[in-house]
Amino acid sequence: DVVMTQTPVSLSLAIGQPASISCKSSQSLLGTSGKTFLNWILQRPGQSPKRLIYQVSKLYSEVPDRFSGSGSETEFTLKISRVEAEDLGVYYCWQGTHFPQTFGGGTKLELK
Amino acid sequence: EVQLVETGGGLVQPGKSLKLTCATSGFTFSTAWMHWVRQSPDKRLEWIARIKDKSNNYATDYVESVKGRFTISRDDSKSSVYLQMNSLKEEDTATYYCTAQYGYWGQGVMVTVSS
Repeated sequence: DVVMTQTPVSLSLAIGQPASISCKSSQSLLGTSGKTFLNWILQRPGQSPKRLIYQVSKLYSEVPDRFSGSGSETEFTLKISRVEAEDLGVYYCWQGTHFPQTFGGGTKLELK
Repeated sequence: EVQLVETGGGLVQPGKSLKLTCATSGFTFSTAWMHWVRQSPDKRLEWIARIKDKSNNYATDYVESVKGRFTISRDDSKSSVYLQMNSLKEEDTATYYCTAQYGYWGQGVMVTVSS
């Protein structure tokens, strides 16, 4: 199975600071279709996961543009330009290129 | 508004069965590939099953750890997806989420397997 490794495990930031989360995969996530199925989701405290980004860098319509995704092959990054209170929670990367789909261990974003 | 609502969870003894239901609305269910994902008590997420749409013959896939014990199915007339779980083990204890290929997630349902 593809192993997804996220760093850091936790992040303590003040409101307005930028955030960066890394996700590395044990195999290239570039599929035979030419697409890279790397997603990001956010799980706020006590809630179910919510969609953020798909195919590395495409934001879902309801996601604020302070979020951005980048990367290729085996290295990916989620960035938040300026953290807001509603961004707190656990971020997971998730690959859908290889069977079975696998998730990273999560990065907890907390307020400093 | 998109909604995915899971029901059917609870406390069950090892070796017993449970059936989860995910009722959906607000998106075109009939063409959506549907998944079940579970989250263990230590918060790790695990994809466990997928069912494709009618045009793909409702093909199913499972993670190795549940193959032969769990069955995913769907009823397009009810916009619902199901997870039949047999021969449950203590390690199946988790919150179970249904998800749709467009990134939608349900609120989850807890399953506890314990004697």
